[in-house]
Amino acid sequence: GENVEQHPSTLSVQEGDSAVIKCTYSDSASNYFPWYKQELGKGPQLIIDIRSNVGEKKDQRIAVTLNKTAKHFSLHITETQPEDSAVYFCAASYTGGFKTIFGAGTRLFVKA
Amino acid sequence: EPEVTQTPSHQVTQMGQEVILRCVPISNHLYFYWYRQILGQKVEFLVSFYNNEISEKSEIFDDQFSVERPDGSNFTLKIRSTKLEDSAMYFCASVSLPGGNYGYTFGSGTRLTVV
Repeated sequence: GENVEQHPSTLSVQEGDSAVIKCTYSDSASNYFPWYKQELGKGPQLIIDIRSNVGEKKDQRIAVTLNKTAKHFSLHITETQPEDSAVYFCAASYTGGFKTIFGAGTRLFVKA
Repeated sequence: EPEVTQTPSHQVTQMGQEVILRCVPISNHLYFYWYRQILGQKVEFLVSFYNNEISEKSEIFDDQFSVERPDGSNFTLKIRSTKLEDSAMYFCASVSLPGGNYGYTFGSGTRLTVV
C-alpha cells in the first residue's frame, strides 16, 4: 500500500542553523506533497506544499524540494528560531484521492 | 481565520462504552476527514466523507466506527464499543477540494483515553 517514510525522527539544531527533513513516498500517482507543523497540544497546521509540476518552492525561511524520479521530497528551514521547535510531518496524496498519507514525523528542537 | 472546532478536548471512557467525538468543519468546506494519532506516532487516516457518504476508509475503520453529518454543520465519529487500543488523539480535518489539491485544516483534536 501507500507509504511515506520520513527522516530523521529527531533533529536538534542551534538557533540560526539550517534544518533539513527528508521524505520518500511509494505511490507514483502521488502529485501533491504538503508539510504540516504540529505544536504541543494542537492539530497539524499546513505550512507549505508542493505539487509535482514544480521542483522547488520557497516561502520566507522555509523551502521544499521535490525529486519525482527518486520519489524524494524535503523541507528546508533556514535561520532556525526557537519557535520553529515542533513536530513536522510530510505527507503525500494525489488529485482526486480521498486520503493523505503522513510520514511518522520529525521532532525538531532549536536550541537558543 | 476559519477554524475546525472539535469537542470535547479530552474524553475518558470505560472499555466497552460508546463515545461520540464531535467536529464542526469550516463552513464552506465539502470534504471531511478523521485521523488518529497514537501518542508519539504518525497521523493515521481513518475515513473521508463527502456528499453525505464515506468516500474512503482505512483498515482501522472497522464496524466499531461510524461517521455522520447529522445536520449542516456537525461531523461526528462514533466508536461503538471502545477498546484500550482506541486510546489516541483524534483529529478532524476539512478541505474545500479533495486531497491532491489543497492541504487540510485540522482541528485541535480530542484526546480519547479508554480505561
